[in-house]
Amino acid sequence: DAKTTQPNSMESNEEEPVHLPCNHSTISGTDYIHWYRQLPSQGPEYVIHGLTSNVNNRMASLAIAEDRKSSTLILHRATLRDAAVYYCILVSGGSQGNLIFGKGTKLSVKP
Amino acid sequence: DTGVSQDPRHKITKRGQNVTFRCDPISEHNRLYWYRQTLGQGPEFLTYFQNEAQLEKSRLLSNRFSAERPKGSFSTLEIQRTEQGDSAMYLCASSPGFWAAGNTIYFGEGSWLTVV
Repeated sequence: DAKTTQPNSMESNEEEPVHLPCNHSTISGTDYIHWYRQLPSQGPEYVIHGLTSNVNNRMASLAIAEDRKSSTLILHRATLRDAAVYYCILVSGGSQGNLIFGKGTKLSVKP
Repeated sequence: DTGVSQDPRHKITKRGQNVTFRCDPISEHNRLYWYRQTLGQGPEFLTYFQNEAQLEKSRLLSNRFSAERPKGSFSTLEIQRTEQGDSAMYLCASSPGFWAAGNTIYFGEGSWLTVV
């Protein structure tokens, strides 16, 4: 599976938008971009995923660059509950669900 | 709650003892995964089942580890002769039906193991 690069940490203020970047320059045409997050002392939680087009759901938006070599997870209004480690993961068409997690980005939200 | 359930949530054991963790996936999810996570690291894949068949094992799964899913429903992960390096959170996850790269994987809250 292709690798992703994320900043180790980011800070945000409550109720402000947050843009979490992810680089995946070696992405292949069939790789999906998935985002999971992990709150303290909990298991990872699915956030959003996409292939080529931007995606929106109730939790977040995913903006995918035209060349697909990078993507950005957007939290529109950060809350204290959004403080977590966010993982950007590429999932290939041939994978069997064995996700390869990096270290992710630790997001801190200040009140 | 109909999410992935893991038991026990916390286990402290002495080195050399055996421990077993249980996972109950979301009902009717065919696929079940086990991951391990140490402090400061992302989860690492250990193994997965399609129904009762164990289809892949990571090289991280040493011969002291064994996982089963006898009836294609719940699963157990046993660690024999525990070592301090086994201290970690063991995560179970499940996903429905035929795997596709756009599928979502649902994780449990994990079982913390401390080997003293």
